[in-house]
Amino acid sequence: TQLLEQSPQFLSIQEGENLTVYCNSSSVFSSLQWYRQEPGEGPVLLVTVVTGGEVKKLKRLTFQFGDARKDSSLHITAAQPGDTGLYLCAYDRGSTLGRLYFGRGTQLTVWP
Amino acid sequence: SQTIHQWPATLVQPVGSPLSLECTVEGTSNPNLYWYRQAAGRGLQLLFYSVGIGQISSEVPQNLSASRPQDRQFILSSKKLLLSDSGFYLCAWSRAALGSYTFGSGTRLTVV
Repeated sequence: TQLLEQSPQFLSIQEGENLTVYCNSSSVFSSLQWYRQEPGEGPVLLVTVVTGGEVKKLKRLTFQFGDARKDSSLHITAAQPGDTGLYLCAYDRGSTLGRLYFGRGTQLTVWP
Repeated sequence: SQTIHQWPATLVQPVGSPLSLECTVEGTSNPNLYWYRQAAGRGLQLLFYSVGIGQISSEVPQNLSASRPQDRQFILSSKKLLLSDSGFYLCAWSRAALGSYTFGSGTRLTVV
């Protein structure tokens, strides 16, 4: 069962455009993590959102955690080719022993 | 600083052959260790996790097994590979209760 649904699955845009990708669930989470993965590499953590309604910014990337802590979004302003990659959201099921579970991801391609 | 190593980076194996993928972590002790598999361009599926030497938990029934012979060594094995075992295998480590996960650079396995 896929607890995290990510949309869209694929997104292809031109350099300079803005975009938003979504991570939704019917479950409540204590936190959500966002990763970016480039081809042939492991995912790299971008941010962890913890508080309902929280907004975190990482340069041109803005992450928001829903008020009810069931969903999250990632907004990229003025996308660049270097933003190309697979964006994954994930939740950590454990406390002492963490277990990270992922959504299927959004494959973003930014064309120059 | 902590680093995680996986090898080999790519592997082509015939159906029915054995498999051994190795992952080692440096710069930390008693890490939680994980094996994930990723289908082409999609999210990661947790296969195995370990909290200590000789302690292995499996998430899904499959043709694979894992072992942890040393504190910072995690091995993924199969006695006889199937075509469906093809994929991108990622090792990860985390520190208990910190919620921070670091992934290796992965092994691309193709079973022919």
